Amino acid sequence: EAQVTQNPRYLITVTGKKLTVTCSQNMNHEYMSWYRQDPGLGLRQIYYSMNVEVTDKGDVPEGYKVSRKEKRNFPLILESPSPNQTSLYFCASSDSPWGEQYFGPGTRLTVT
Amino acid sequence: QKEVEQNSGPLSVPEGAIASLNCTYSDRVSQSFFWYRQYSGKSPELIMSIYSNGDKEDGRFTAQLNKASQYVSLLIRDSQPSDSATYLCALYNFNKFYFGSGTKLNVKP
Repeated sequence: EAQVTQNPRYLITVTGKKLTVTCSQNMNHEYMSWYRQDPGLGLRQIYYSMNVEVTDKGDVPEGYKVSRKEKRNFPLILESPSPNQTSLYFCASSDSPWGEQYFGPGTRLTVT
Repeated sequence: QKEVEQNSGPLSVPEGAIASLNCTYSDRVSQSFFWYRQYSGKSPELIMSIYSNGDKEDGRFTAQLNKASQYVSLLIRDSQPSDSATYLCALYNFNKFYFGSGTKLNVKP
């Protein structure tokens, strides 16, 4: 089954404790993105990757890091989480930048 | 100014009616536009994409794009209660995606 998976689905952590949210897709897609979704603000792109080892900032990259060492995986790293990073996070992939994006199930992160 | 603007709603329509959802955008360079549907607690899923001026139809859905006026709309004919969801307008511009905050649609039986 074609899918984008994210782990964990729910995470509660404390300020400053490094965390990683994993994202994996099995569709051989080149383009992958991370978004955060907040009430009233919609989906905002954090980082995107055009292909392996090619990543770039989206609209709200501050406080986040990503890597793309393999085509299928695109982890999101919060090295020192803060409460304003409490949000619902989605990973997405598509076979081209302008194509249909397939979204993962989401990760709800709470930073206290 | 936000890149993509949508009325947050809720937009309420009776079952069987036409639902009209609108979106305006600020960047004239934008070339690709998308409508995603998001059910409560779920992830977004693509309904339509549109790249050129005019109408594009797919079943009960019609997307309309007017680049001169910088708006894109989605019409849902014969609305069903199962269409009740939040509809997100998105555009693609220079490798990045910009989403509106979404319009919540309620279709009443």
